[in-house]
Amino acid sequence: DAGVIQSPRHEVTEMGQEVTLRCKPISGHDYLFWYRQTMMRGLELLIYFNNNVPIDDSGMPEDRFSAKMPNASFSTLKIQPSEPRDSAVYFCASSLRPEETQYFGPGTRLLVL
Amino acid sequence: GENVEQHPSTLSVQEGDSAVIKCTYSDSASNYFPWYKQELGKGPQLIIDIRSNVGEKKDQRIAVTLNKTAKHFSLHITETQPEDSAVYFCAASLGGSYIPTFGRGTSLIVHP
Repeated sequence: DAGVIQSPRHEVTEMGQEVTLRCKPISGHDYLFWYRQTMMRGLELLIYFNNNVPIDDSGMPEDRFSAKMPNASFSTLKIQPSEPRDSAVYFCASSLRPEETQYFGPGTRLLVL
Repeated sequence: GENVEQHPSTLSVQEGDSAVIKCTYSDSASNYFPWYKQELGKGPQLIIDIRSNVGEKKDQRIAVTLNKTAKHFSLHITETQPEDSAVYFCAASLGGSYIPTFGRGTSLIVHP
């Protein structure tokens, strides 16, 4: 398996623009997680899905952030409108079950100017 | 929610020395404690984990200990090598959910 795939790897955009981050989990994994990593706040869980259903989105910072999982092999994290403080590395991870290993993707490095 | 404190934030050792990273957590219902290693430009990768019914676990040069009474757990790396240089994250599950909350990370530097 290719592991968790994320795209794009790097994104530079201007404040106010819409940003869409994409993730393909490992095939067969029922859980998908979105994280944000910054120097100030460390690694934060934003939202996670079980069998394509959002279970806990309490980590989503505000309404500008939304996440979807239309099928078992694809998820998106959207920021609209983006702000400079959204600049961070966003990771997607997947696992078979919550008590099993989470496999992280390579991350998307987002810079909002 | 769960609060995980991790120390130190930076650790510098000589090759061959041991390294110890310590974490504390707040939720007594936490039952799963994974450790992740993150190399530059990559996502975190699980290196070892421990569950609440075990006090210690070893895998070659790395070991993790858990003290549930004191609510702290530690990562021990022996005979450190330059390739051990990375950021290490501890995590503790939220209550009984197994969903981890991460510590702030420890940047380990192993000098050859």
